[in-house]
Amino acid sequence: AQSVTQLDSQVPVFEEAPVELRCNYSSSVSVYLFWYVQYPNQGLQLLLKYLSGSTLVKGINGFEAEFNKSQTSFHLRKPSVHISDTAEYFCAVIRNQGGKLIFGQGTELSVKP
Amino acid sequence: DTGVSQNPRHKITKRGQNVTFRCDPISEHNRLYWYRQTLGQGPEFLTYFQNEAQLEKSRLLSDRFSAERPKGSFSTLEIQRTEQGDSAMYLCASSYSGGNPVEQYFGPGTRLTVT
Repeated sequence: AQSVTQLDSQVPVFEEAPVELRCNYSSSVSVYLFWYVQYPNQGLQLLLKYLSGSTLVKGINGFEAEFNKSQTSFHLRKPSVHISDTAEYFCAVIRNQGGKLIFGQGTELSVKP
Repeated sequence: DTGVSQNPRHKITKRGQNVTFRCDPISEHNRLYWYRQTLGQGPEFLTYFQNEAQLEKSRLLSDRFSAERPKGSFSTLEIQRTEQGDSAMYLCASSYSGGNPVEQYFGPGTRLTVT
């Protein structure tokens, strides 16, 4: 079975400051990893994904994440946030063969002016 | 391609009533997934289809819940005898097994409120 833990439920940050949203996962099989963003009353939008290759992956809106197999982590970072980045962020895993996504509990990013 | 669509976007119903939601996946996608998201939580998997076949169901999917995908295109999720605990956002996603099967594209969701 797989599980995902997002270590921070809320992250307040000032505009133009850097931010890191933390995600740890547990799995007995190989998995792929994702970060999704959800704006209020909307569905989920894919930010970035790690399937294989370079452990540093870049996504949309200036976000990037680093896959660390030894620490079973996949933390999301952005060097300078904007007000428009205020949203809920979800880390998720899926088995290599596909099927269901397993999500973390979410991290609410609140960017203040 | 207009993406995954879901109807209705919002549904308010009284406890005990039946409700049905519809999901239309991206046209070439043969896999379709249903998730439920309660307030302040991440989405939880309910079930998924490949073409018409329902390949996996979560134990969250009680006998009051039924999902169908009769022609391998759109899908419906029905909840019978709704309870207040069914209040949630119901999300649909789709993917293509022939390409990268792990990448799922989500619809805007249907928000259900049971009064």
